[in-house]
Amino acid sequence: GIQVEQSPPDLILQEGANSTLRCNFSDSVNNLQWFHQNPWGQLIILFYIPSGTKQNGRLSATTVATERYSLLYISSSQTTDSGVYFCAVEIGDYKLSFGAGTTVTVRA
Amino acid sequence: KAGVTQTPRYLIKTRGQQVTLSCSPISGHRSVSWYQQTPGQGLQFLFEYFSETQRNKGNFPGRFSGRQFSNSRSEMNVSTLELGDSALYLCASRYTQETQYFGPGTRLLVL
Repeated sequence: GIQVEQSPPDLILQEGANSTLRCNFSDSVNNLQWFHQNPWGQLIILFYIPSGTKQNGRLSATTVATERYSLLYISSSQTTDSGVYFCAVEIGDYKLSFGAGTTVTVRA
Repeated sequence: KAGVTQTPRYLIKTRGQQVTLSCSPISGHRSVSWYQQTPGQGLQFLFEYFSETQRNKGNFPGRFSGRQFSNSRSEMNVSTLELGDSALYLCASRYTQETQYFGPGTRLLVL
């Protein structure tokens, strides 16, 4: 099956800092999504981004499909950004394959 | 619209028992997927249903089964529970490929 690798596994930030999370995938995909999981386990979709660049407030994402990677940028981080960020891909078989996640801790 | 709802939210069972979890998708969403999340294996796909038909199944033993009803609500069943089945079970519904929304999950503890 398709492999999804996320880096770094853990990230500790001071409030106000910027950061970049990376997702590499091993095959062509027709669906790539970034999710944030809060401490209660709720997964919230951040971006649907199989290619190109999108921005939503302090978050933005870029996927370079030809090179099989995606980046999630967090700018001016806040304590509420803490949690686990997952990249998930789909190859058209109605199943999302998730990376292991990046645990982000933002300190005040 | 109301979000994806899952019941129950928490469950404690003993080994050998069976359990049924329920998921109600967002109104109008006909696709429902189930995922298992554990610290060791991460998020793993269980199955996906669309209009009462299973379109894909993950790599889980036959003890894990599911179904979808005509109103798109879905249930998953785990028989003969094992300690390793302790996990957060997440349900997701979607209308298009872009719109995948997860429920709050059911935390299952097997003793």
